[in-house]
Amino acid sequence: DSGVTQTPKHLITATGQRVTLRCSPRSGDLSVYWYQQSLDQGLQFLIQYYNGEERAKGNILERFSAQQFPDLHSELNLSSLELGDSALYFCASSVEGQTGELFFGEGSRLTVL
Amino acid sequence: GQSLEQPSEVTAVEGAIVQINCTYQTSGFYGLSWYQQHDGGAPTFLSYNALDGLEETGRFSSFLSRSDSYGYLLLQELQMKDSASYFCAVSNYGQNFVFGPGTRLSVLP
Repeated sequence: DSGVTQTPKHLITATGQRVTLRCSPRSGDLSVYWYQQSLDQGLQFLIQYYNGEERAKGNILERFSAQQFPDLHSELNLSSLELGDSALYFCASSVEGQTGELFFGEGSRLTVL
Repeated sequence: GQSLEQPSEVTAVEGAIVQINCTYQTSGFYGLSWYQQHDGGAPTFLSYNALDGLEETGRFSSFLSRSDSYGYLLLQELQMKDSASYFCAVSNYGQNFVFGPGTRLSVLP
């Protein structure tokens, strides 16, 4: 158990819909990261937050948005869903300082039909 | 931008040694990490190099050459449970992590 909690674990929805994925980082971790992993693909970096502020942005679509709240949990909002958005979405957190280590949640598997 | 290259697949037998290479191009490089991911699971951290040289953690070792923008993960005494995907990831000064495409390791009996 990494200490990072993601909900829901599985989500099935239809094209055009909107979903929200939630992540609670490990206690004390200020940084939260979101990654997308399509079937048999690598981990595509979406966005990073640090203590409520956006720190870095990757290849995140305009239909996607995220935020980190004062209690440090984060939400990833996916709207106008398309079939190609079906993927495993991982949240990760890290401690302060350069340790090279990310702690990943178990992921939210999104299926768009 | 940032780019990383890894072999897509590697196959080895139990008890053998395997090396997974990673080359990268990035700005503001700080360190190179390695992660293991079993099918359907979450990535888990294996090793990290910020300085040139070899880091050893049990059966796993990782190497970094900053001047060559190159690193590798060395797995010794392979076991069946080592069959998984392995990802290298570069981090920069902002602690932003970008992952490579991954290497699928198959360990045969």
